[in-house]
Amino acid sequence: QVQLQESGPGLVKPSETLSLTCTVSGGSISTYSWTWIRQPPGKGLEWIGYIPYSGTTNYNPSLTSRVTISVEKSKNQFSLELTSVTAADTAVYYCARPLGGTNDAFDIWGQGTMVTVSS
Amino acid sequence: DIQMTQSPSSLSASVGDRVTITCRTSQNIFRYLHWYQQKPGKAPKLLIYAASNLQSGVPSRFSGSGSGTDFTLTISSLQPEDFATYYCQRGYIIPWTFGQGTKVEIK
Repeated sequence: QVQLQESGPGLVKPSETLSLTCTVSGGSISTYSWTWIRQPPGKGLEWIGYIPYSGTTNYNPSLTSRVTISVEKSKNQFSLELTSVTAADTAVYYCARPLGGTNDAFDIWGQGTMVTVSS
Repeated sequence: DIQMTQSPSSLSASVGDRVTITCRTSQNIFRYLHWYQQKPGKAPKLLIYAASNLQSGVPSRFSGSGSGTDFTLTISSLQPEDFATYYCQRGYIIPWTFGQGTKVEIK
């Protein structure tokens, strides 16, 4: 069965770029779309954006000027880059895959990775 | 943007109780509404998709209903493992958004 695993630095300095990778195992990245979601400590969930297996990426308008999601098919990975981070970007970041036949109901999630923005 | 209101923000209930959580949107989203359960330190788990479809492996005491702008998650008989935070999430129009969450606590 498909499993997702996030990886990347747990600490990023303000104004720098947050970079995370999600490794897909047990299935091909060349189908489905792939999504990033985050959750600040003690708060709710925020959809960041998704990249479809074909077509253009879609981002949350609140983040679109700072975010890039890309796929590395040869590594069966997809990535998140968030530029010019501030303390407000401190959160657990999840990668997720939607249920077959949907784009927006997420049945497979990574375990999440905590990213702290601090000097 | 389509506004979402999830209520209540928290509730206290006993094992065996029937629990209802609602989610309301400011525009018609047809049936593009999903429900998740999240336990501390864990990723959310999909319970219900497209308003009323029970995700594989989820106990039948969970059910969803609604369409358009008003949606409901019902737990017919609360079990000890159901104490958690529940989120609705809409699709349809980007940005997809989550409700504020409902924390279900033990009475």
